[in-house]
Amino acid sequence: AQSVTQPDIHITVSEGASLELRCNYSYGATPYLFWYVQSPGQGLQLLLKYFSGDTLVQGIKGFEAEFKRSQSSFNLRKPSVHWSDAAEYFCAVGPLGDYKLSFGAGTTVTVRA
Amino acid sequence: NAGVMQNPRHLVRRRGQEARLRCSPMKGHSHVYWYRQLPEEGLKFMVYLQKENIIDESGMPKERFSAEFPKEGPSILRIQQVVRGDSAAYFCASSSSRGTLGDNEQFFGPGTRLTVL
Repeated sequence: AQSVTQPDIHITVSEGASLELRCNYSYGATPYLFWYVQSPGQGLQLLLKYFSGDTLVQGIKGFEAEFKRSQSSFNLRKPSVHWSDAAEYFCAVGPLGDYKLSFGAGTTVTVRA
Repeated sequence: NAGVMQNPRHLVRRRGQEARLRCSPMKGHSHVYWYRQLPEEGLKFMVYLQKENIIDESGMPKERFSAEFPKEGPSILRIQQVVRGDSAAYFCASSSSRGTLGDNEQFFGPGTRLTVL
């Protein structure tokens, strides 16, 4: 069975500092990989996704993620955070040829001035 | 262009009552997915519906839970005789067509947070 682990429940970062959110997955083959963000009162919004090819993926809002097969990881990064990046971030995986997503428990990001 | 709408956003029920959660997909979308997030866990797939059809309910508990997506109106997730363990956030997603994750993005609503007293 596939599973997703986000080791950090809560991260606090200063505005302008860099951010890295960790995601590890367990799956028999390389699945589709996703990062979503949920701002207060909003639905989950897709930041980026990885299916194949270049292991460094660019997304919206200045985010990027790197797929590392050897570590079964798909960590999300942003070089310089803005106060508006305060939100909950979810890593998700889905099998090839399927539509079911499995999510991590999420990481809440707080941005301090 | 409104996104996926869910209501109510918060719902409180006493044990034994019924809970009805509604999901209006994005305009033009005819495929709906329900996910449940138990406390301190990730979202887990429950059921996939197309208009008037249940396509896959493999993630739905066998008892007390049901889902529908009628020809007209929103999709409804119904939980009968709720218990404390049903307290969770329930998310709905929609897509424009039937397809795999590679070619068919799911758009998520804000979720309904159900609390069972």
